[in-house]
Order: sequence, then structure tokens, then C-alpha cells
Amino acid sequence: EAQVTQNPRYLITVTGKKLTVTCSQNMNHEYMSWYRQDPGLGLRQIYYSMNVEVTDKGDVPEGYKVSRKEKRNFPLILESPSPNQTSLYFCASSLRGLAKNIQYFGAGTRLSVL
Amino acid sequence: AQKITQTQPGMFVQEKEAVTLDCTYDTSDPSYGLFWYKQPSSGEMIFLIYQGSYDQQNATEGRYSLNFQKARKSANLVISASQLGDSAMYFCASFLKNAGGTSYGKLTFGQGTILTVHP
Repeated sequence: EAQVTQNPRYLITVTGKKLTVTCSQNMNHEYMSWYRQDPGLGLRQIYYSMNVEVTDKGDVPEGYKVSRKEKRNFPLILESPSPNQTSLYFCASSLRGLAKNIQYFGAGTRLSVL
Repeated sequence: AQKITQTQPGMFVQEKEAVTLDCTYDTSDPSYGLFWYKQPSSGEMIFLIYQGSYDQQNATEGRYSLNFQKARKSANLVISASQLGDSAMYFCASFLKNAGGTSYGKLTFGQGTILTVHP
């Protein structure tokens, strides 16, 4: 079954404790992206990757890191989480960029930073 | 930076009626694409419809159609014959394309509109 898998689905952590949210897709997609969703703000893009070893900033990259060492995985790293990073996070992938390509979303990761 | 505006925080519609959800975008680039996504209360994001700026016709996908008015920079979603299962949050999103027609990777979303369908 074609899918984008995020782990964990729920995470409570404390300020400053490094964490990684994993994202994996099994569709051989070139494009992957991370978003955060906050009430009243819609989804905002954090980072995206057009292909392996090619990553770029979205609109809200501060406080986050990503890597794309292999096609299927695109982890999101919070080196020193802060309470303002409490949010719902989505990973998504599409075959080749965005034009005419459907983006498939993971189920989301709800993060609370205390 | 691009900007997407969805001016309706909430909309109500009677079952079986049509409803229009508004979306305006702000870009001076001639080549771009627009998406609509649905997010039910369960939280997943579901692709609904895509429109390219150079597409000759307005996009349609089943009961969903996109009323694309380029000069007004609007891309409103029309849902015909509303169903109870259409109750959800709806997001409009846009991205830019390069001269060759392939996309840059940055995608900008609007704030969303909550649609409630009454029986």
C-alpha cells in the first residue's frame, strides 16, 4: 500500500531535548516536504527536498534541520526544541515536484514541548 | 513571498446544495499552480483538485470544480450537491513554476475554511 509514514504520532518532550521525527515513503517519490499546522495559521512549510541530497528552506525553517540521504526518508530534527514548536507536523511526498503531482501526506505528528 | 487568503473562517451549507469556498492569491509570476486540500476532523490531508495558471479550462474532479479567475487572482472551490461527509477544513495552496513549467518546491497555504454541512 502506497503510504507516507511518520513516527512518532504523538510526542511530549521538554525544552532543549533533541528529537527527531521520522518520515518514510514507499512510492519512490522525489519530492518530500515538512509542514507545521497551527490554529488560525493553516499549514506552513518548514523544509522541502526536491531529491536526494537537495533540501531547501520553506517559510518557517528556524529551529529545524532536515537531511535527505536516501530517497525514501526525510527526517525532521529539532536540535533544541522550544515551547513555540508545539504543533501538529505533517510530512508529505509527491512523485516529482508539485506541478500536477498529488502530494501524499502522512498522518501527522502531534508534538508538545513543555 | 506568495500569499494565499481565505476570507471565510467558517461556512455553512444545507445538504445537497452547492457551496463556494473563496481563495485569492498574490503573485506577480505568470507561471504557478494551485491546489485545494480537505482535512476532515480525523486530521488527514486529502488532495482535491489542481489548477495550473496556463490551463485553458477550469479544473474539475467529480463534485469539485475550481472557478479560476486569473485576472482577479482568485481560485474558488465549488462543491456541488454537498454531502454530510464534506464537513471538514478546506485549504487552498499555491506554488510557483519555472520557465520550463516544473515547480519550485515552496508551497504556501491559506488559513483554511471550516465547512459545515447541515442535514
